[in-house]
Amino acid sequence: EVQLLESGGGLVQPGGSLRLSCAASGFTFSSYAMSWVRQAPGKGLEWVSNIGGSGDSTYYADSVKGRFTISRDNSKNTLYLQMNSLRAEDTAVYYCAKVLRFLEWLPGPFDSWGQGTLVTVSS
Amino acid sequence: DIQMTQSPSSLSASVGDRVTITCRASQGIYNYLAWYQQKPGKVPKLLIYAASSLQSGVPSRFSGSGSGTDFTLTISSLQAEDVATYYCQNYNRPSGTFGPGTKVDIK
Repeated sequence: EVQLLESGGGLVQPGGSLRLSCAASGFTFSSYAMSWVRQAPGKGLEWVSNIGGSGDSTYYADSVKGRFTISRDNSKNTLYLQMNSLRAEDTAVYYCAKVLRFLEWLPGPFDSWGQGTLVTVSS
Repeated sequence: DIQMTQSPSSLSASVGDRVTITCRASQGIYNYLAWYQQKPGKVPKLLIYAASSLQSGVPSRFSGSGSGTDFTLTISSLQAEDVATYYCQNYNRPSGTFGPGTKVDIK
């Protein structure tokens, strides 16, 4: 059974940094692209970033480009999101999500999602 | 960047009704289109991928169609458990943009 468990969320001041982690199990982690998707309170889904299986292909939404960095450690089956220069509008639940197809480096579709970790940016 | 729009933004229908939700991409995305269902307080669930392929375990009353810029999600006979917000997603690289969502409830 696929399991994705996010951690690292919390309250941070504007301009601060946070690193999210997503521990994966139940599948061959290195063979699947992974993404971060966020959802602001009461709002819709927003794709944030995607990374290929080896970690060498990464893509970002314009809203986070230059501030967020996605990475993965396939030896630890863990996905990361380093978030710098955080803004109030980054407040959201952050989900990690697994791409459906084996060895397909696309930003979707997502067949498995974690439960999410809440990031609150406020002074 | 490709923008995704959905219509309507919300709808109310009776149990047993046929429900149709439309998604439009600002430029052609071939069939790189997925549909998700999100119930209140729950994580999103994949319903349809590649515009018309039904994800394993999803009831057959859900179907998808379209290609290029115009796509449709159809619920052939609305059930009470289908109350949710439905999102389309473009996954044609480089971005994975979601539509704004369509909220479905029971009349």
